[in-house]
Amino acid sequence: KAGVTQTPRYLIKTRGQQVTLSCSPISGHRSVSWYQQTPGQGLQFLFEYFSETQRNKGNFPGRFSGRQFSNSRSEMNVSTLELGDSALYLCASSRFPSGGQTQYFGPGTRLLVL
Amino acid sequence: GEDVEQSLFLSVREGDSSVINCTYTDSSSTYLYWYKQEPGAGLQLLTYIFSNMDMKQDQRLTVLLNKKDKHLSLRIADTQTGDSAIYFCAESIGSSNTGKLIFGQGTTLQVKP
Repeated sequence: KAGVTQTPRYLIKTRGQQVTLSCSPISGHRSVSWYQQTPGQGLQFLFEYFSETQRNKGNFPGRFSGRQFSNSRSEMNVSTLELGDSALYLCASSRFPSGGQTQYFGPGTRLLVL
Repeated sequence: GEDVEQSLFLSVREGDSSVINCTYTDSSSTYLYWYKQEPGAGLQLLTYIFSNMDMKQDQRLTVLLNKKDKHLSLRIADTQTGDSAIYFCAESIGSSNTGKLIFGQGTTLQVKP
């Protein structure tokens, strides 16, 4: 069974630009969560999607948005990039959005904002 | 509130046992997890424990949970150089309708040959 895939793996953008990251969950998984990992703040929850609906959102500005498609694939978008958005963005999938569900993480997209 | 704390660094000799500690604050945590992250990689789930359990053993890994003190530990027996990585503990919060995880800062485990 293929794992969680994220594209692209690496990305370089400049301040003010926008970026879209993609996540394909494990087949049969309908819940997708996104996390931001930085050296200073560690791993922080961005949002969670299930059945194309946002179920939960972390404490991030409105520049961060996401969506989920009917095939459970998810995208996240960051508009008006800032230097502080440089991070590893991780996506995780599970069958359902529940604390008891095992979440599997993808390899991440490393974003560098110049 | 939601907060998970871990010590930042642990160094052991190959063959020794490693114990990584974690404390959490949310008493409504249902599941507690240990993840491993190797350089340049995503997070690999190692093991998890349900909040009504005290201990869980899985091959070289032993998880101990002290719910009264909100303390979680991961013991790795016979630590190998391949175990060198960052280890994160995480808790799932309250509601059973969300998979949101709160992570600790991560403990860097260095295994010396």
